[in-house]
Amino acid sequence: EVQLVESGGGLVKPGRSLRLSCTASAFTFGDYAMSWFRQAPGKGLEWVGFIRSKAYGGTTEYAASVKGRFTISRDDSKTIAYLQMNSLKTEDTAVYYCTRNIDVAVADYWGQGTLVTVSS
Amino acid sequence: QSVLTQPPSASGTPGQRVTLSCSGSSSNIGSNTVNWYQHLPGTAPKLLIYRNNQRPSGVPDRFSGSKSGTSASLAISGLQSEDEAGYYCAAWDDSLNGVVFGGGTKLTVL
Repeated sequence: EVQLVESGGGLVKPGRSLRLSCTASAFTFGDYAMSWFRQAPGKGLEWVGFIRSKAYGGTTEYAASVKGRFTISRDDSKTIAYLQMNSLKTEDTAVYYCTRNIDVAVADYWGQGTLVTVSS
Repeated sequence: QSVLTQPPSASGTPGQRVTLSCSGSSSNIGSNTVNWYQHLPGTAPKLLIYRNNQRPSGVPDRFSGSKSGTSASLAISGLQSEDEAGYYCAAWDDSLNGVVFGGGTKLTVL
């Protein structure tokens, strides 16, 4: 069964950095685009960004709210997707979800999420 | 303020049919397909409907989706208590060059 496990969340001060990992299993990781989403406390789901498969150039797209601060990358040999978050702000506090995508906007499998709290 | 507009709440009784709405614009729903996700707090969101009306394997046919112009709908027939959850619509937006969501509709089964 497809599994996505996020890790790396925690408490971090504003302005600092954090890297999240998403370890995938039970599917051919390199064939799929991968995305990150988040849900802030009491708010709805928000798209963070995604990375295409190598077959489609491995290029990335980001939400305006994180562009220039967050970077998504992938290591197909390790079946891991990463979310590097720099210059964190208090409004980045959220549960972050990793997903497998069958389309740019279609996330067919989701991880359980990892909580990131940005606070001084 | 979400780009797609959903009513914040809806309700129904067991066995009833309910329809959840999602309104957008020409740059998102009007020119791209719509996807629906079900989310219970503390759990991973689940893809319910993709490309307007396609059901992933394992999703009961009680759930159906449709789109017309710049609006979309999710219908749930034979409502069950386990359907009580948050429902989100999403679509690609050509102007924003990203995925946009509705604010979500919390469905209560009375």
